[in-house]
Parts: sequence; C-alpha cells; structure tokens
Amino acid sequence: RKEVEQDPGPFNVPEGATVAFNCTYSNSASQSFFWYRQDCRKEPKLLMSVYSSGNEDGRFTAQLNRASQYISLLIRDSKLSDSATYLCVVYSSASKIIFGSGTRLSIRP
Amino acid sequence: GAVVSQHPSWVICKSGTSVKIECRSLDFQATTMFWYRQFPKQSLMLMATSNEGSKATYEQGVEKDKFLINHASLTLSTLTVTSAHPEDSSFYICSAEKGSAKNIQYFGAGTRLSVL
Repeated sequence: RKEVEQDPGPFNVPEGATVAFNCTYSNSASQSFFWYRQDCRKEPKLLMSVYSSGNEDGRFTAQLNRASQYISLLIRDSKLSDSATYLCVVYSSASKIIFGSGTRLSIRP
Repeated sequence: GAVVSQHPSWVICKSGTSVKIECRSLDFQATTMFWYRQFPKQSLMLMATSNEGSKATYEQGVEKDKFLINHASLTLSTLTVTSAHPEDSSFYICSAEKGSAKNIQYFGAGTRLSVL
C-alpha cells in the first residue's frame, strides 16, 4: 500500500459544478497536510494547508479526518481555470515529505 | 513573486555529459532544500534533502555519485547529473522551506532535462 494515495482521475466536470476528492495516508502519526496545485509542465504551488478543524479559502474547502486517515478538497462553483492536477502532501514525520500522485481535474465549459 | 529561483529551465544535452542545475532561495536563507524528480504523468519523487554545510541525504534508490548535490551557502543548492543518459531525462524541481512558514514548500520553476 502506498503511503499516500489519490484517485488519479481525471475528473471531468462542467463549469460551475462542485467537485471533491480525497487523499488517504497510511501513517497515523502524520503531522502536516497540504494541497498543492500543479499545472501542466509547471512547478507545484501551494493551494492551502489542511488544519484539523478544517479550513476554507474562497471556493476551496479542505478537511482532515484523522480517524479515517484522509484529507479532502472541495471546490465549489468550479472555473475553467481550476483545471489542473491537485497534489496532496503529507509530512509523515518532521522531515519526511510524501507527495500523492495527483488527481487530474478538467473543467469543461 | 517567486521565492525560489531555479536555473536553467530547460536543458538538452548529449549522453555522457554532466548537467548542473541551480536552486536559489530569494530573500531568505534556506538551510534545507529538497530535490525532486517527476516523470510524465507521475508524482514528484523526493530524490534528496540538501543540507547547508553538510552532506545531502539521499532517498533509497537514488545514486549519490550520479546525482551530486552541493549546498555551499544558505541561498544556493546545486544538483549535478553526472554522465547523463536518456533515462535521466525528466523534470527536476527543487524546493525550500521558508523559515516563517513551517513545512510549506516553495518550489523552483523546474528544469526539464532531455538527454539525447
């Protein structure tokens, strides 16, 4: 089993739709969680941190479920510009960073 | 604006040559930088952790003599792909943690290496 797993997609949804995807992690001692966005042939960029209490930034909501060991990302009112690959990042210890393989999202007009 | 600068952005080289990639932190000191490799449609794979003033820590399966890392200053880490071969063709990305933002990675723009 991979330490961090994501559904690779692609998720193909119409503009304006709400879409959500999860990322599971195997190490229960994992401490920090993030969502990054990566556009084709570009470097990943931080989208948002994931806090235990959940956090929201505009149309994006991230949540952490420690009991079931997954994090989620919800995108409301999706825009064409949201098309990208979304990577979850888990710090399984203070210095071990693990990237998920990414979920591809495609928003159609 | 960018906080990590990576150069060059694209390299084409002949098999057997060595390629050096630079990663600079802008306006902050990075005692630790990270080097990743990403093959098409795959996730980033951590290659090594670069520590200023000491030896890099390599991930399992990454040859330290093949991928030389030098972190000689608090703002610069270099990755040298020695005797590159076509299978080394990939997207190489560095990142650094800015001191005030714990565990948040700021990435360089990446270097696309094509070995002919």
